[in-house]
Amino acid sequence: AQSVTQPDIHITVSEGASLELRCNYSYGATPYLFWYVQSPGQGLQLLLKYFSGDTLVQGIKGFEAEFKRSQSSFNLRKPSVHWSDAAEYFCAVGANYGGATNKLIFGTGTLLAVQP
Amino acid sequence: EAQVTQNPRYLITVTGKKLTVTCSQNMNHEYMSWYRQDPGLGLRQIYYSMNVEVTDKGDVPEGYKVSRKEKRNFPLILESPSPNQTSLYFCASSFVLGSTDTQYFGPGTRLTVL
Repeated sequence: AQSVTQPDIHITVSEGASLELRCNYSYGATPYLFWYVQSPGQGLQLLLKYFSGDTLVQGIKGFEAEFKRSQSSFNLRKPSVHWSDAAEYFCAVGANYGGATNKLIFGTGTLLAVQP
Repeated sequence: EAQVTQNPRYLITVTGKKLTVTCSQNMNHEYMSWYRQDPGLGLRQIYYSMNVEVTDKGDVPEGYKVSRKEKRNFPLILESPSPNQTSLYFCASSFVLGSTDTQYFGPGTRLTVL
């Protein structure tokens, strides 16, 4: 069965430090992978997505993610974190059962705190 | 502005009192979906709709109903809410059916059932 694992429930980084949020997936076919961010009291905003091609994907707000098929991973990175990046981050895989649905399977999220 | 709207944003109700959470999108999207978000479980799909009058169950459909009479609207109905339906609910939409299309999410509805 398809699944997404985000091993880190909560991460705290200092402002200006680099960030890496981990995501591992289990999916039989070529995965469609997404990172969403949820700010407090807000909906989910798409940061970036991977479908095919270059395994290093650039997103909004200075984020990037690298797809590594051999490790079944799609980790999110940012070289220098800003206080406004404090939010919850969700990794998701798009499950396409022969076109019957484009359900997203989400990880449990990683809550990022940024300290001054 | 392209957006998905949900109403109400917050709702406190009592067990058994029927309620409807509305969802509307102004992007002419064909595909719409409802998710619930619970701590430690991430988001799980409740129902989805591929187009008008076409709906189907997601992973956690028990206790919920939906309808899609117009392309822009996809209300979520709780006929007899129970405390285990206390959750944060998100509506999402995308232009076409297919995992490659980006889903746009509404701001969420926080429901408390007493």
